[in-house]
Amino acid sequence: KQEVTQIPAALSVPEGENLVLNCSFTDSAIYNLQWFRQDPGKGLTSLLLIQSSQREQTSGRLNASLDKSSGRSTLYIAASQPGDSATYLCAVYDGNQFYFGTGTSLTVIP
Amino acid sequence: GAVVSQHPSRVICKSGTSVKIECRSLDFQATTMFWYRQFPKQSLMLMATSNEGSKATYEQGVEKDKFLINHASLTLSTLTVTSAHPEDSSFYICSARGEDGATNEKLFFGSGTQLSVL
Repeated sequence: KQEVTQIPAALSVPEGENLVLNCSFTDSAIYNLQWFRQDPGKGLTSLLLIQSSQREQTSGRLNASLDKSSGRSTLYIAASQPGDSATYLCAVYDGNQFYFGTGTSLTVIP
Repeated sequence: GAVVSQHPSRVICKSGTSVKIECRSLDFQATTMFWYRQFPKQSLMLMATSNEGSKATYEQGVEKDKFLINHASLTLSTLTVTSAHPEDSSFYICSARGEDGATNEKLFFGSGTQLSVL
């Protein structure tokens, strides 16, 4: 069974810092991997989607990488802002269902 | 940890029929449930947000009469795809948010339903 782990569970950084969130999965047979953002009391927002054949995706200050063979993905956030404070989730899709990590709670201190 | 059960996991139906998908929070009370759909190779898209005992809030472009959402209790929300057509074939996933201190700031997800309309 696929297991997805995210480290760290919580992270607090001062504004302006670059940071990296980590996601690891146990089964490399995936279709794609997604990074989501969850704001308190709200639904999920998809940030980046990486297909299994891709190595990375970029959107603005966000860059996500995928190393399928080692079962790892990272989400890089450049020049963090207080508005980036949220919970970040990664999820892998194996063609049948999603497997979600438990998330990293990010706090960016002004 | 909190568990959300979604079923069926896979359904195949004929065009014109209605399909009901259930989402249950098994060990916590879910004040809010979210329904998403995903087309192949695309990201999840939020369809609607439902709060227990009130009408669902639909995202722009989602047909309310097509996708009926009922959240009649704190542990159950249902999504009914009415008069399904092949273009409704998609992956549907629910998530639930709890009401107590341990669960109210986290979302817990069902495992999804793959709908195929012939």
